[in-house]
Amino acid sequence: DSGVTQTPKHLITATGQRVTLRCSPRSGDLSVYWYQQSLDQGLQFLIQYYNGEERAKGNILERFSAQQFPDLHSELNLSSLELGDSALYFCASSVDPTGVRDTQYFGPGTRLTVL
Amino acid sequence: AQTVTQSQPEMSVQEAETVTLSCTYDTSESDYYLFWYKQPPSRQMILVIRQEAYKQQNATENRFSVNFQKAAKSFSLKISDSQLGDAAMYFCAYRRGNSGGSNYKLTFGKGTLLTVNP
Repeated sequence: DSGVTQTPKHLITATGQRVTLRCSPRSGDLSVYWYQQSLDQGLQFLIQYYNGEERAKGNILERFSAQQFPDLHSELNLSSLELGDSALYFCASSVDPTGVRDTQYFGPGTRLTVL
Repeated sequence: AQTVTQSQPEMSVQEAETVTLSCTYDTSESDYYLFWYKQPPSRQMILVIRQEAYKQQNATENRFSVNFQKAAKSFSLKISDSQLGDAAMYFCAYRRGNSGGSNYKLTFGKGTLLTVNP
């Protein structure tokens, strides 16, 4: 158990819908990263937050957004869902990305199925 | 942009034997970190080992060790005394160093599926 929690574990929804994925980082970790794992794209970085502020963006679609709250949990919002959004979404956390010993620890993931 | 290449989509090993998984990467940076993550059938991403580029000594964690060749941009993972529980997808990953700006994302290879035969 990495200490990172994600809910829900599974999500099945229809095209055009909107869903919210939730992540709670390890105790003491300030950074949260979101990744998408799909069969065709592999593991891809979406977005990073540090202590409530957006730090970096990757290949995140405009239909997707995220935020990190004062208690440091993070939510990834996916809207106008398409079949191609079906994937495993991981959250990872780390203490401080500028720290020498910084390592990202992953949550168990949320499997999203869009029908 | 950094790229990570794992040239072996699948590998197999007999239980108790040794196997080496290959990884190469491309970067123009001198300060970076390299990782191996394991993804068993449960789909959880588990950190196996990490290597700082500034360290010449190869990292080891119990039965897992790496062969880090900085000039060749190679980072292979050796698993000794393979166990059935080692069966998983293994991902090599790159992260820029602390002097490289504000984006500390992991860039992953496509993975190597390791099968352990009893």
